[in-house]
Formats: sequence, structure tokens, C-alpha cells
Amino acid sequence: DAKTTQPTSMDCAEGRAANLPCNHSTISGNEYVYWYRQIHSQGPQYIIHGLKNNETNEMASLIITEDRKSSTLILPHATLRDTAVYYCIVRPLYNFNKFYFGSGTKLNVKP
Amino acid sequence: SAVISQKPSRDICQRGTSLTIQCQVDSQVTMMFWYRQQPGQSLTLIATANQGSEATYESGFVIDKFPISRPNLTFSTLTVSNMSPEDSSIYLCSVKALARTSGTDTQYFGPGTRLTVL
Repeated sequence: DAKTTQPTSMDCAEGRAANLPCNHSTISGNEYVYWYRQIHSQGPQYIIHGLKNNETNEMASLIITEDRKSSTLILPHATLRDTAVYYCIVRPLYNFNKFYFGSGTKLNVKP
Repeated sequence: SAVISQKPSRDICQRGTSLTIQCQVDSQVTMMFWYRQQPGQSLTLIATANQGSEATYESGFVIDKFPISRPNLTFSTLTVSNMSPEDSSIYLCSVKALARTSGTDTQYFGPGTRLTVL
């Protein structure tokens, strides 16, 4: 299974864009990149996922490099409520139980 | 998407006892998952529960310790048996469902059950 590497923590000013990087250099062709976040004491919240094209929804944008070895989650206008641990996960398309969470990035949004 | 509820939301139990956690989904789902999150740690998958078949456990987790029921497509239970303080964790139910915007599968999580074993 492909592994992911994320910075332990990041700071972001309120109202600015938060760019969270993820390295998945061993990703294979049939593996998707998923992003979740976990606000303290709550269950993880699905944000977005993609295979090779950039994706955008109401919460965030996902930018995947052309070689698929890394990706960036973008929160366009971070608010204090976006303070959370953000997890980048790589999952095979047809092996759904292989959904392993790493350590994630603690995003601190500051006023 | 899927909306998931869990009961209880939290509990404090004595060692040697057992606790059954319930997971209810607002729609029929084929695959349900149980995770554990120990204090300060990331999530660890305990088992996959499909309706009509035995649960599949990950390495390090056994059915005698964590028996799972899956009686229908909207409900599952996880029992933490013969508890010790090391079982103090958040236990999370998750389901496979279509993501709202993409039309492909993802996992949605319940709010978790915070268990403290004394």
C-alpha cells in the first residue's frame, strides 16, 4: 500500500488560503488520493478525493501533480473553524478496506 | 452521502466488563467499518463488517475481544469485551457511500464513542 507523508503542523492566518501538502511518491495507477479532517473530539469529516485531475467542491480544492507523487489541499479562505488535523490517504480503487490513516497535519488557523 | 449516529456517545466502564456500541446509518450500505483511535493517536481499522457475512478483522484484532454484529444494511454493533484500561479509546463507525459531489465511493464517519476504562 502506498504511504503518505505530511508535515506535522502548519499555521495559517484567518482569511488566507491554507495549502496543505502531501507526498505519496509510491502511489500506483489505481489509487485515489483522499483528504479528511478531524476537528477535536469529532469523527473524521470527508473533504475531497481525486485520481489524477484537479478537483474542487464547496469545501476545498485538490491539486494533484502530473506525476501523481504529491498533492495539495487548498482551503481558499481559512476560518478559525478550519483548525483541525488533516489526513491525506491513498486508497486502492478496488480494495475498499485498505483505508489507512497516517499522522496527519495539525492546521492552526490564527486570528 | 450518509448520516451516521452512534450510541453511547461516551461511557466510563470498570475493567473486566463489556460494552456494546451501536452504529445506525440513515441509508442502506453494504460495507461498514469499525475504527479505534487511542488518545493522541491516529485512527486504526479494527474490522470490516458486511451484512450477511462474518466480519473481517485486521492484524492485531480478534473476534473474541471485539465481536461485531451486522444484522441488516443500516445497523451494526461492536462489543469491547473484558475491558482493560488499554481499551480506553474513541471507537468510530464508518460506512462506504457515494461522495456527494464526485459520484464515486468514499467513507463517512460517525461521531465516535469515547470509552474510558478504569
